[in-house]
Amino acid sequence: GQNIDQPTEMTATEGAIVQINCTYQTSGFNGLFWYQQHAGEAPTFLSYNVLDGLEEKGRFSSFLSRSKGYSYLLLKELQMKDSASYLCAVRGGNYGQNFVFGPGTRLSVLP
Amino acid sequence: ETGVTQTPRHLVMGMTNKKSLKCEQHLGHNAMYWYKQSAKKPLELMFVYSLEERVENNSVPSRFSPECPNSSHLFLHLHTLQPEDSALYLCASSQDRGANTGELFFGEGSRLTVL
Repeated sequence: GQNIDQPTEMTATEGAIVQINCTYQTSGFNGLFWYQQHAGEAPTFLSYNVLDGLEEKGRFSSFLSRSKGYSYLLLKELQMKDSASYLCAVRGGNYGQNFVFGPGTRLSVLP
Repeated sequence: ETGVTQTPRHLVMGMTNKKSLKCEQHLGHNAMYWYKQSAKKPLELMFVYSLEERVENNSVPSRFSPECPNSSHLFLHLHTLQPEDSALYLCASSQDRGANTGELFFGEGSRLTVL
């Protein structure tokens, strides 16, 4: 089967650093993606990992360990606009097009 | 503006109605997807089309019928739906091959309410 787990909710303070974890068990692996979704809006792509290690993109970084089935998204210098849901997704499937999403982590950034 | 346009944005229908959701992508991608997003549930993959052929169909009830006439357009035909089908239906596209990450680009979604 396929299973992706994330914490349901997290709270952090403006200017702080927060780490959102994702663990996965999927049939086939062809990359792990993080998406941001503000309430009432479409998910937007944040980051992509296919090899082990850390990918940095401005204030956002994402880490992958394929042997552990584990990833995290690190958000630095938090801003109020970072309040959103963060979705972890694994791409697998026969044609590498089966994106399976986790339940999402709702992050609230407080002043 | 993500390059993926969905219409209508909101739809209310009775259980005996027939309606369709439309998705159009202007990104030149070769794969298109339908996802269902319900409250407190993960995004559920419904259908995947690659080069206009359906390659994934995740045990979706037959009251949902997809159609992909070309690589830029995707439809979801709805027929005799149930109230539990009320959800946000998201269309997405991706470029599956070549030197790119192949991430999904989502439309704004169609909010469906079944009475």
